[in-house]
Amino acid sequence: AQSVTQPDIHITVSEGASLELRCNYSYGATPYLFWYVQSPGQGLQLLLKYFSGDTLVQGIKGFEAEFKRSQSSFNLRKPSVHWSDAAEYFCAVGAGTGGGNKLTFGTGTQLKVEL
Amino acid sequence: DTGVSQNPRHKITKRGQNVTFRCDPISEHNRLYWYRQTLGQGPEFLTYFQNEAQLEKSRLLSDRFSAERPKGSFSTLEIQRTEQGDSAMYLCASSIKQGSSTDTQYFGPGTRLTVL
Repeated sequence: AQSVTQPDIHITVSEGASLELRCNYSYGATPYLFWYVQSPGQGLQLLLKYFSGDTLVQGIKGFEAEFKRSQSSFNLRKPSVHWSDAAEYFCAVGAGTGGGNKLTFGTGTQLKVEL
Repeated sequence: DTGVSQNPRHKITKRGQNVTFRCDPISEHNRLYWYRQTLGQGPEFLTYFQNEAQLEKSRLLSDRFSAERPKGSFSTLEIQRTEQGDSAMYLCASSIKQGSSTDTQYFGPGTRLTVL
């Protein structure tokens, strides 16, 4: 069964500082990986995804993520955080094309940005 | 493209009552997913449809939960005889599945259910 671990429940960074959110996955086949962001009381917005190809993927709002198969990781990065980035971030792995692409999510990382 | 919409956004009900939520997917998206998110957790998959066919429902939490997508467009999720443990955010997502490619899900704003 697939699973996702986000080791950091809370992270606080200063505005303008760099950010890295960790994600480790467990999946027996080629993973389909996603990062979503959720603002309070809202649904999930897709930041970026990895299906195949280049292991460094670019997303919206200046975010990027790197897929490392050897480490089973898909960490999210941003070089300079803005106060509006404060939200909860979820990493997810998809079951892929073999059936429904049902997503398994991590428990999320709450990001706080200090001004 | 107006995005995925869900109604109502908030629902407060008393234990034992039935509730129904509606999800309108992005136009022309042929897949529709339901997830449940409890406080402090990531969303948990419940069920999904491809067009009007419900292809997996094993993750529906109990026989009190049912979902339909009668014409392959909007979907409803019903919870019968609600319990306090059903209090959660119910999220809907839609996607377009084409050929052998995998699909990307776009989420709605969710329906927050509170069972008193």
